[in-house]
Amino acid sequence: AQTVTQSQPEMSVQEAETVTLSCTYDTSESDYYLFWYKQPPSRQMILVIRQEAYKQQNATENRFSVNFQKAAKSFSLKISDSQLGDAAMYFCAYRGSGTYKYIFGTGTRLKVLA
Amino acid sequence: SAVISQKPSRDICQRGTSLTIQCQVDSQVTMMFWYRQQPGQSLTLIATANQGSEATYESGFVIDKFPISRPNLTFSTLTVSNMSPEDSSIYLCSVEDLAFTDTQYFGPGTRLTVL
Repeated sequence: AQTVTQSQPEMSVQEAETVTLSCTYDTSESDYYLFWYKQPPSRQMILVIRQEAYKQQNATENRFSVNFQKAAKSFSLKISDSQLGDAAMYFCAYRGSGTYKYIFGTGTRLKVLA
Repeated sequence: SAVISQKPSRDICQRGTSLTIQCQVDSQVTMMFWYRQQPGQSLTLIATANQGSEATYESGFVIDKFPISRPNLTFSTLTVSNMSPEDSSIYLCSVEDLAFTDTQYFGPGTRLTVL
């Protein structure tokens, strides 16, 4: 069975600095999708970035980028120029190509210090 | 992406009562999902709701406790029945995006507190 592990329950970063959130997963599939979602105190889950496993190029969305290492089964999220609004819970999620079900990690709480 | 709304945004209920949560999407979608997020926890899928068919429930969730309706392609409801304090959670609906059918977008959630 697939699993998603986020080993950092909480991280802190100074405003304007860069922070990297870790995510590892376990799967025997070769084709799948990976996601990072942000959940601020308002509780809405917001899609930050998605990555298709067959693409070697790392996905980027403005200040957010991923380091996707397929062989190592690692999918870390880098936030550059951190802003106070980035403070939230961040969830890593996996989806196999043949299913609609997501497998979520346990989340990392990110604090941004002014 | 689709715009999703949920009602109510929050509620406080007495044990033994039931609450129906509504999820409305601004475009037609095939698949809608209902999740539970217990305090400080990750998301757990309750069921998948497809229009015109019975909902598909995940292990540990049953229709008598969480009946779901899906009358059309833009709307679904989740009822939490005979509530107990253990049902206190955030309930979120999500939909698959038509452009990226591998990607789910979430509603704002309903925070339920059961006394």
